[in-house]
Amino acid sequence: AQSVAQPEDQVNVAEGNPLTVKCTYSVSGNPYLFWYVQYPNRGLQFLLKYITGDNLVKGSYGFEAEFNKSQTSFHLKKPSALVSDSALYFCAVTLGFQKLVFGTGTRLLVSP
Amino acid sequence: GAVVSQHPSWVICKSGTSVKIECRSLDFQATTMFWYRQFPKQSLMLMATSNEGSKATYEQGVEKDKFLINHASLTLSTLTVTSAHPEDSSFYICSRTSGHGEQFFGPGTRLTVL
Repeated sequence: AQSVAQPEDQVNVAEGNPLTVKCTYSVSGNPYLFWYVQYPNRGLQFLLKYITGDNLVKGSYGFEAEFNKSQTSFHLKKPSALVSDSALYFCAVTLGFQKLVFGTGTRLLVSP
Repeated sequence: GAVVSQHPSWVICKSGTSVKIECRSLDFQATTMFWYRQFPKQSLMLMATSNEGSKATYEQGVEKDKFLINHASLTLSTLTVTSAHPEDSSFYICSRTSGHGEQFFGPGTRLTVL
């Protein structure tokens, strides 16, 4: 069975500092990995995905993520955080174009 | 711009009544759409896969007779919460696939059952 773990309920970072939101996955096969962001009372917005190819994936709003097969991780990163990045972030995995399995989410708080 | 819309964005109803939520794919004919449920401070739980022209595929533990899904056209899927009770209060989100792996999500519908 597929599963995703986001070990941190919340990440706090000061504006301008780099941020990392962690994600590890467990699947039997080649995973498709995704990051989504959710603002209060809104649906999810797609940030980036890894399907195949380069392990470093660049996405929307300056975010990037690195696929690490040996560590089964797909951490989300941004070199310089903005207050407006404060939101709920979800990592998700799927095998092929099947249903998504989401992590529990990590709340990112960026302080001015 | 938005590619998936939902209506209504919020609804309050009395216990025992039924509520219909619409999900529209605005720019793409979607043979498959998904319905999720999200409790406060929790992740999204897939409820069912909506299949155009055929029956929905429900996830384990989701009551088919309680959460009726209809996907009568390539741009519209509806979720009807029948005989709603307070425990059905939640945030309901639909999505469609992009054809490239990711899904595009609607803005969600907040249901409150009194």
